[in-house]
Amino acid sequence: GIQVEQSPPDLILQEGANSTLRCNFSDSVNNLQWFHQNPWGQLINLFYIPSGTKQNGRLSATTVATERYSLLYISSSQTTDSGVYFCAVVRVLTGGGNKLTFGTGTQLKVEL
Amino acid sequence: GAGVSQSPSNKVTEKGKDVELRCDPISGHTALYWYRQSLGQGLEFLIYFQGNSAPDKSGLPSDRFSAERTGGSVSTLTIQRTQQEDSAVYLCASSFPGLNEKLFFGSGTQLSVL
Repeated sequence: GIQVEQSPPDLILQEGANSTLRCNFSDSVNNLQWFHQNPWGQLINLFYIPSGTKQNGRLSATTVATERYSLLYISSSQTTDSGVYFCAVVRVLTGGGNKLTFGTGTQLKVEL
Repeated sequence: GAGVSQSPSNKVTEKGKDVELRCDPISGHTALYWYRQSLGQGLEFLIYFQGNSAPDKSGLPSDRFSAERTGGSVSTLTIQRTQQEDSAVYLCASSFPGLNEKLFFGSGTQLSVL
């Protein structure tokens, strides 16, 4: 099956710093999503980003589908950004629906 | 409901016992997914429902795992003869299907098999 690798696995930032998280995938996909899992385990969808660049506040994401990678940028980080960031690649299932294959995540801790 | 609801939030069981995990999706969402997250790992796809049918069961790890959905709404995931390696957080998500569908996840059931 498709492989999804994320880097770095762990990251510690001082509040206000910027960071870039990377997601590499091994095959073509229909779509790619970025999720944030907060310290209480809740998963929140951040972006749909099959290609190109999107921005939402302090977060932005870029996917280069032809080179099979995506980047998530976090600017001016805050302690509330702490948690695990997952990318998930999307393939359409037989019979409809989407199968998301998740990477192993980047554990981010933002300190004061 | 306002969000995807899962119960119980925590379940501790003895090896060999059967467990049932429940997912109540957002009202009107026809697609429902089960995922498993083991400690320190990413999410592993288990099964997908469109309405009451499950066109993709490829992620179920063994025949001890089964799931059903009735009335196009509530789903139950059943694990028979639980093993210690079944310990994980079981997450449910629901959505309106489509290429750009947005999955809404519940808070999960933490299953611990002793």
